[in-house]
Formats: sequence, C-alpha cells, structure tokens
Amino acid sequence: GAVVSQHPSWVICKSGTSVKIECRSLDFQATTMFWYRQFPKQSLMLMATSNEGSKATYEQGVEKDKFLINHASLTLSTLTVTSAHPEDSSFYICSALTGGSTDTQYFGPGTRLTVL
Amino acid sequence: SQKIEQNSEALNIQEGKTATLTCNYTNYSPAYLQWYRQDPGRGPVFLLLIRENEKEKRKERLKVTFDTTLKQSLFHITASQPADSATYLCALRVYGGSQGNLIFGKGTKLSVKP
Repeated sequence: GAVVSQHPSWVICKSGTSVKIECRSLDFQATTMFWYRQFPKQSLMLMATSNEGSKATYEQGVEKDKFLINHASLTLSTLTVTSAHPEDSSFYICSALTGGSTDTQYFGPGTRLTVL
Repeated sequence: SQKIEQNSEALNIQEGKTATLTCNYTNYSPAYLQWYRQDPGRGPVFLLLIRENEKEKRKERLKVTFDTTLKQSLFHITASQPADSATYLCALRVYGGSQGNLIFGKGTKLSVKP
C-alpha cells in the first residue's frame, strides 16, 4: 500500500511557541492531503483539507490563523501550530488521497504534540 | 442528527474465535465505507473498502459486509490471533461531502487472548 510519513513523531514545546509538522507521501503523488486531530478515546476529527498549490479548506471551528497549512508540492504538506497552548496538545495525523477509482486515504503514523 | 456508532468500545475474545465488530450509521447516504486498524500512538492503517452497491468484501482473514437498508456494516476477523489486538475504526465517505472527507466512528478496541 501507499506510504505516508510524518515528522516529527512527537514534540514537546513551551506554551506560546510554534511547531511545524511535516507530512510526506513517499511513493505516490497526492494532490489532496488531510489533517486530522485525535484526542484520547475519541474519533479522528478532520481539521482541514489541503490541495497542492491552493489554500487549505478548514472545517468549522478550526482557526485557520492558528493552524497554518501549506501544500507546496505533490508530496509534502505542512501543518504549523502557531502560538501553541496546552489545549492544543493532541495527536495530529495527516492522510493523503491516492486518487483514481479507489479513492483511498492512507494515513501517516501521527505526531504527538504536548504543549507545556 | 447524523451519527456513526461502533457497537462497543471494547471486545474481548479468545484466540482462534471469530471477532465481529459492528458499525451503524444514521442519516447519512454513504458512497462507501472503510475499515481501518489503529494501534496505540499510531495512525490508522487501511484494511478494506466496500461500496454501497457491494454486499461483501474479503481479504485473507477479514470480511466486511455492508447493508444499506439496515445502515450497518459488520467486520469479521476469522481465526483471530493476539496480534489482531488493536482498535478498529469504521469510516464513511458520504455523497456530497468534500472529496475524501471521511467520517469516523470512535472505534472498537479488540483484545484477543491467547
């Protein structure tokens, strides 16, 4: 299956700092990538849809100025959590669409963000 | 209101038995449904996709059924092994939703005892 990587796998930062998370599709080109957030024992919640070369589409309730998404190439999307606060601590997961008839999403391994 | 529910938060079974997980939804018109496996601290891993016009899909020891009348999907793991222990997520892709937008259930944590 298609492989999606994320970096870093975990990060601890101080309140008020910014953190960048990278998502890469390793063996395919992804015109569309997605960013999810997952709290303990909760389902994955879509934050935004990222299309290569255009602005991301954010879900209702997600602050676009706080969660900056850049999809500069067909294999890389980044999520920057700006001025992070403890309530932003969560598990952030990206996924990429393989396209074609199967239209399957493949997920990265996730990034655990802890804001102190 | 729209809901997607997985029948139980946790399921414990004995090795060798068949595990059956349930996913029910209301007020959605799904184009297809997917099942994923998620291990602790990891991202979901795609297992199977079944479309609205398909009744059943199989892959090795896995079987998925989809009943759009009952608004239900069943996920079976036959001859279960301790290595199958994980959280299993169902996800719907609905008509009219943004491309690729999947709606996830909370998951069922499966524990297979040796």
